[in-house]
Amino acid sequence: NAGVTQTPKFRVLKTGQSMTLLCAQDMNHEYMYWYRQDPGMGLRLIHYSVGEGTTAKGEVPDGYNVSRLKKQNFLLGLESAAPSQTSVYFCASSYRGSLGFYFGQGTRLTVV
Amino acid sequence: GQQLNQSPQSMFIQEGEDVSMNCTSSSIFNTWLWYKQDPGEGPVLLIALYKAGELTSNGRLTAQFGITRKDSFLNISASIPSDVGIYFCAGQNYGGSQGNLIFGKGTKLSVKP
Repeated sequence: NAGVTQTPKFRVLKTGQSMTLLCAQDMNHEYMYWYRQDPGMGLRLIHYSVGEGTTAKGEVPDGYNVSRLKKQNFLLGLESAAPSQTSVYFCASSYRGSLGFYFGQGTRLTVV
Repeated sequence: GQQLNQSPQSMFIQEGEDVSMNCTSSSIFNTWLWYKQDPGEGPVLLIALYKAGELTSNGRLTAQFGITRKDSFLNISASIPSDVGIYFCAGQNYGGSQGNLIFGKGTKLSVKP
């Protein structure tokens, strides 16, 4: 049972490049989330999804897009990367928002 | 929006000592959660609290859900080197469509052998 898996684990982008982060969960969870973690800031919600085909904005959505085409996958896209998006990105899933969240191992993204 | 104040920001303790950290909020939560994050890893759930006044233990960890529903604390007894990491509190409210967690900024724990 893999839980929540994120790919890639590390990535370096040049300003203006685009990329997609993939999150996959095998727990049949309804809800999935993307957070970013910056030093001294804790975890901040970027976007979330309460089910296949639905997405919604979180606290810091600007510069990101998401898609949930399949229940087990939640994709985070950066269309035109900026240095301010240098961060560690975590995906999480939960059973309808309850019983705790399960986090992936994170993706460390550097934008130069 | 809702914010959590977590303190202390960091702690340096000797192995064997007890540790206490807490979170306060200006608004109420239905659930309080405590997570631990090891370097290079995602947060892992330690304890979940679902009822005001609830006191829950998980091995050497004890957490309480404040009566006012605006605070929670976490205690670690007899600390060991593997307790090192960042501890996050998180508050959650149901009823909305997202059930999102609001995180504190973390307490970084260092344990000296």
